[in-house]
Amino acid sequence: GQSLEQPSEVTAVEGAIVQINCTYQTSGFYGLSWYQQHDGGAPTFLSYNALDGLEETGRFSSFLSRSDSYGYLLLQELQMKDSASCFCAVRAGTALIFGKGTTLSVSS
Amino acid sequence: SQTIHQWPATLVQPVGSPLSLECTVEGTSNPNLYWYRQAAGRGLQLLFYSVGIGQISSEVPQNLSASRPQDRQFILSSKKLLLSDSGFYLCAWSPGDQETQYFGPGTRLLVL
Repeated sequence: GQSLEQPSEVTAVEGAIVQINCTYQTSGFYGLSWYQQHDGGAPTFLSYNALDGLEETGRFSSFLSRSDSYGYLLLQELQMKDSASCFCAVRAGTALIFGKGTTLSVSS
Repeated sequence: SQTIHQWPATLVQPVGSPLSLECTVEGTSNPNLYWYRQAAGRGLQLLFYSVGIGQISSEVPQNLSASRPQDRQFILSSKKLLLSDSGFYLCAWSPGDQETQYFGPGTRLLVL
C-alpha cells in the first residue's frame, strides 16, 4: 500500500522561509505532488516532481529524492496569505493518495 | 477553459435520509473523476474514482455509492446517511495522462 508522513503543524513569521517535509512509502512511484488548501476552500495544485531535484515556481519550490523516498515543499518570503494546509500526494494507480496535511501558520 | 461544479454547497440532513451530491466538469472530455471526503481538520480520504462512463472504483467500503451516468457527471449517493458521514465532500478531475487534479468547491454535509 501507500503511506505518507508529514508534520502536522509548522509555524513561521512573515518574510521567513519554511520547509515542509514528506516521506512516502509506495509500491509503485510516479512522482510527488503538493497541494495547498486554505481554510474552508478546496485544494489547489502547487507542484509536481517526477525526477530528483528541485522545481521552482515563484516563491514556492519542491524537492524530491527518489532514493530516500523523501521530498519537501519550500516556501520563501512568507506572507500571511500563505497560512493554509499543505498536502503531499503520491499516485496509486489512477488515483492520488494524500498525506494528512501540514497546517502552516504565518504570523506577523 | 475547464471548470468543475459541485452542488449543493452546504447540506444539512437527518440521520437515515438519502443523499445525492452532483459534480459536473466543463471544457474537457473523458476526464478521470474522483470523490474525496475530508473530516474537520483532517486529510483527504479517497472514496471513489472513475476513468470512464459506468466505471467506478471504490476505495473505502461504506454506505456510500457513486455513479457516472455521463462522461462529465459524477454522482455520490447514499440510501441512509449516518452521523459519521458528516464532512466536506470534494469532487476532482484530472486529464487521463497527467498527475494534476483539479478540485471543485466542495459540499459541506452535516448529518444530524
